[in-house]
Amino acid sequence: GAVVSQHPSWVICKSGTSVKIECRSLDFQATTMFWYRQFPKQSLMLMATSNEGSKATYEQGVEKDKFLINHASLTLSTLTVTSAHPEDSSFYICSASDGGNEKLFFGSGTQLSVL
Amino acid sequence: DQQVKQNSPSLSVQEGRISILNCDYTNSMFDYFLWYKKYPAEGPTFLISISSIKDKNEDGRFTVFLNKSAKHLSLHIVPSQPGDSAVYFCAAASANSKLTFGKGITLSVRP
Repeated sequence: GAVVSQHPSWVICKSGTSVKIECRSLDFQATTMFWYRQFPKQSLMLMATSNEGSKATYEQGVEKDKFLINHASLTLSTLTVTSAHPEDSSFYICSASDGGNEKLFFGSGTQLSVL
Repeated sequence: DQQVKQNSPSLSVQEGRISILNCDYTNSMFDYFLWYKKYPAEGPTFLISISSIKDKNEDGRFTVFLNKSAKHLSLHIVPSQPGDSAVYFCAAASANSKLTFGKGITLSVRP
């Protein structure tokens, strides 16, 4: 099946620093990528929809200036958590679609811990 | 407002028995439902789906049942195997909409 690679798997950073997470579709062109965050024992909450070559669409309550999304090519989307704070500590996960909304292919996730 | 609800956080089943994972939804516009399976430190992987025009879809040991009037779906795994131990997410979508996920349920299959 299709493979989505997400990097890094985990990151620990100091408060106030920025962290970039990459999501790559390895064997298909992803016109749309999605970014989620998951708190412990909670569901995957969609943060934003990233479309190649255009601005991301953010869900209500998600600060677009804090969570910068870039989808510059059909195989790569990045999420940058700017000026991270401890409350940003969470599990971030991306998924990619090859055209349909269903059967999304997920990356392995990034556990972010902000000290 | 949680539109997709998986009210049981965990389920423990003996190997060889049936596992039944439940999911309820509130949005009547949802017309496509999926189950994803997630192992620790890995991303979710697609397991099985069902469209609202059906009430059952079977794939090997996995069967999903949909009861539209009750806004309820369930995933049956039979026979359950220890390798099925994972977190299972129910997800729902309507036409051209994003997937909405439940909180997930942790299934443990005891050898």
